[in-house]
Amino acid sequence: QKEVEQNSGPLSVPEGAIASLNCTYSDRGSQSFFWYRQYSGKSPELIMFIYSNGDKEDGRFTAQLNKASQYVSLLIRDSQPSDSATYLCAALITGGSYIPTFGRGTSLIVHP
Amino acid sequence: DTAVSQTPKYLVTQMGNDKSIKCEQNLGHDTMYWYKQDSKKFLKIMFSYNNKELIINETVPNRFSPKSPDKAHLNLHINSLELGDSAVYFCASSRRGQVGYGYTFGSGTRLTVV
Repeated sequence: QKEVEQNSGPLSVPEGAIASLNCTYSDRGSQSFFWYRQYSGKSPELIMFIYSNGDKEDGRFTAQLNKASQYVSLLIRDSQPSDSATYLCAALITGGSYIPTFGRGTSLIVHP
Repeated sequence: DTAVSQTPKYLVTQMGNDKSIKCEQNLGHDTMYWYKQDSKKFLKIMFSYNNKELIINETVPNRFSPKSPDKAHLNLHINSLELGDSAVYFCASSRRGQVGYGYTFGSGTRLTVV
């Protein structure tokens, strides 16, 4: 069974710190990975997509992928209170059904 | 505005009733989805349509019936509602093959069955 695991948190970090969110997946066929941010009462929005091993940076966000260890992480530099949200990790087997499997999300709280 | 729009945003109904949720996207996407998000934030795929054709039908009670009149619309009809159906239902769309763009989600419909 394909599973994507995330620590539900909450992860609490002070403003300005680096928030590190982790995700592991069970299906070695997973090739593409997404991070979505979901504010309370809102819909998920895509913030990062990664498919190659290594790091991918976009502004304050860095996604890291290690396929050998089957984990993907999201780093948020200079965390702001506005980053407080649930972060959902999703894994996709490219060329399959194009339906990603979502983790349960990690709640991040950035306190001033 | 280009978006995925769902109606209604909130739905409170009694057990045993039948209700529908509508979804429309004007993004030109060819694939649409229904997801259920439970109280623990777990997003679970229910159905997926590509160009009006059902391509994914996960283990969902047959009280749930999706309908896609065209590739811009995907509706969800639920018969004989049960307490366990209470959740947030998200419609989403994507362009098949353009994996990197992920999904665009609608704003969700919070269904409460009493």
